[in-house]
Amino acid sequence: GQNIDQPTEMTATEGAIVQINCTYQTSGFNGLFWYQQHAGEAPTFLSYNVLDGLEEKGRFSSFLSRSKGYSYLLLKELQMKDSASYLCAVSGGSSNTGKLIFGQGTTLQVKP
Amino acid sequence: GAGVSQSPSNKVTEKGKDVELRCDPISGHTALYWYRQSLGQGLEFLIYFQGNSAPDKSGLPSDRFSAERTGGSVSTLTIQRTQQEDSAVYLCASSLGGGRSYNEQFFGPGTRLTVL
Repeated sequence: GQNIDQPTEMTATEGAIVQINCTYQTSGFNGLFWYQQHAGEAPTFLSYNVLDGLEEKGRFSSFLSRSKGYSYLLLKELQMKDSASYLCAVSGGSSNTGKLIFGQGTTLQVKP
Repeated sequence: GAGVSQSPSNKVTEKGKDVELRCDPISGHTALYWYRQSLGQGLEFLIYFQGNSAPDKSGLPSDRFSAERTGGSVSTLTIQRTQQEDSAVYLCASSLGGGRSYNEQFFGPGTRLTVL
């Protein structure tokens, strides 16, 4: 079956660093995406990993270990505007359509 | 416009009525996806279009749900005889192409459907 797990909620302080973990079990794998979604808005793309290792993009970094079925999103120098839901999604499954299988999302609250 | 657009943004309907939700993808994007986001749940895949054909309809929850795409562009998701459990935000996404290769999906703002 398909299963993607991430924590439901996290809280962090402005200026700090936070790591959001995601574990997955899917029948196929063509890459892992992280999306950010502010309340009432469309998800927006943050990062993509298909090979093991760390991808860094400004304040955001994403890590993937395919052997462990594990990824994390690292947010540095947190800002109040980073309060949002962070969605972990795997591309693949049993088909090659590029459809995304999503976790439930992690709601991050950044406090002053 | 530059992004994916959806209409209406909000739809309130009575149980048993039919509804149509529209998606305008980014120009030139051949792949189009519909997802559903229920309260407290993750996004759930519904259907995938490549051009005007739908090679993957595996996520449609029942035969009350159908979708079409015309001219390789606009797509319509139709829900017949709506039920209260259909209440959710319906999101559309498009990408340059589906399949194995990397294709970032760009999401629309969604249609919030409420079935009374």
